[in-house]
Amino acid sequence: AQSVAQPEDQVNVAEGNPLTVKCTYSVSGNPYLFWYVQYPNRGLQFLLKYITGDNLVKGSYGFEAEFNKSQTSFHLKKPSALVSDSALYFCAVKYGRSGGSYIPTFGRGTSLIVHP
Amino acid sequence: EAGVAQSPRYKIIEKRQSVAFWCNPISGHATLYWYQQILGQGPKLLIQFQNNGVVDDSQLPKDRFSAERLKGVDSTLKIQPAKLEDSAVYLCASSPPPNRASEAFFGQGTRLTVV
Repeated sequence: AQSVAQPEDQVNVAEGNPLTVKCTYSVSGNPYLFWYVQYPNRGLQFLLKYITGDNLVKGSYGFEAEFNKSQTSFHLKKPSALVSDSALYFCAVKYGRSGGSYIPTFGRGTSLIVHP
Repeated sequence: EAGVAQSPRYKIIEKRQSVAFWCNPISGHATLYWYQQILGQGPKLLIQFQNNGVVDDSQLPKDRFSAERLKGVDSTLKIQPAKLEDSAVYLCASSPPPNRASEAFFGQGTRLTVV
């Protein structure tokens, strides 16, 4: 079955330190990978995506993510965390089905807490 | 550019009542999604439209949930009758073509409480 796993319910980091939010996936074929962020009482916002090419992709607000095909991972990273980065982060994957459609599947989310 | 519009923002109903949610996607976005997000979980895809055709509705509880996108623009999601476990945030999102590589743009959601 196609799936996305975010192994950590919560990640705590001190402001100014690097952060990593983990994501692994299990899909057949070549998936498209996405990260979204959800602030309290707000809808999900797109951060970045991996389609093809360079394994390191850069996105909004200084975030980046590294695609690792052998480990089927797409971890979200930021070199220096800000308190304002505190939010809920979701990894998502789109996988192709017979007939050519692409269906998105989301992980359960990771709460990032950045301490001053 | 206007974002994805959803209404209402909040709704409280009693179990066994019916409820409808409305979504207007970003202009030009052919793909429209409805998600259910239960507290503490990731969004679960209920139905995906491509223009006015259904691409996937495998996780839609069809005995009580229905959705339509008649003119390929705005969409409605209905629940009838509602159950307590339907309490969740219902998110609408849209994507521009080509769908496979495009990110989704989300509305603010409708928070449904079934009592």
